[in-house]
Amino acid sequence: EAQVTQNPRYLITVTGKKLTVTCSQNMNHEYMSWYRQDPGLGLRQIYYSMNVEVTDKGDVPEGYKVSRKEKRNFPLILESPSPNQTSLYFCASSLLIRDRANEQFFGPGTRLTVL
Amino acid sequence: LAKTTQPISMDSYEGQEVNITCSHNNIATNDYITWYQQFPSQGPRFIIQGYKTKVTNEVASLFIPADRKSSTLSLPRVSLSDTAVYYCLVGDGGNTGTASKLTFGTGTRLQVTL
Repeated sequence: EAQVTQNPRYLITVTGKKLTVTCSQNMNHEYMSWYRQDPGLGLRQIYYSMNVEVTDKGDVPEGYKVSRKEKRNFPLILESPSPNQTSLYFCASSLLIRDRANEQFFGPGTRLTVL
Repeated sequence: LAKTTQPISMDSYEGQEVNITCSHNNIATNDYITWYQQFPSQGPRFIIQGYKTKVTNEVASLFIPADRKSSTLSLPRVSLSDTAVYYCLVGDGGNTGTASKLTFGTGTRLQVTL
């Protein structure tokens, strides 16, 4: 089944404790992206990747890191989480058509709480 | 970067046609317009994408005027299961180096009742 998976689905952690949220897709998509969703603010892009070893900042990259060592995986890293990073996180992937992201397929989301 | 503006909420009765408009006044020449649907506790799901004029698929139509500063998602004969949040997304032009930075609006919450 074609899908985007994220792990963990739920996470409660404390300020400053490094964490990684994994994202994997099995559709051989070049494009992958991370979003956070907060009440009243919609979805905001954190980072995106056009292909292996190619990543770039979205609208809200502060406090986050990503890597794209393999085409299928795009982990989101919070080196020193803070309470303002409490949010619902979505990973998405898409084919690129003439360098343009096409229909994005979203993962189920990761609800992160930072105490 | 193009920003989008949508109504916060809309109400409809089952069986009616619903039109949701999105404003994107500073859309770039190469930007496409995409709409997504999101149910609670789920990731968004692609509905339709277009560049200009009209696009239709099995679930919706997308109308884009000539100046492309707005777009309208049309849902024919909505049902209770269409109750969801609908997002308008603008981007990207596909220019290498600037492509694929995507901006979602804050979404329109559609409530369908009997």
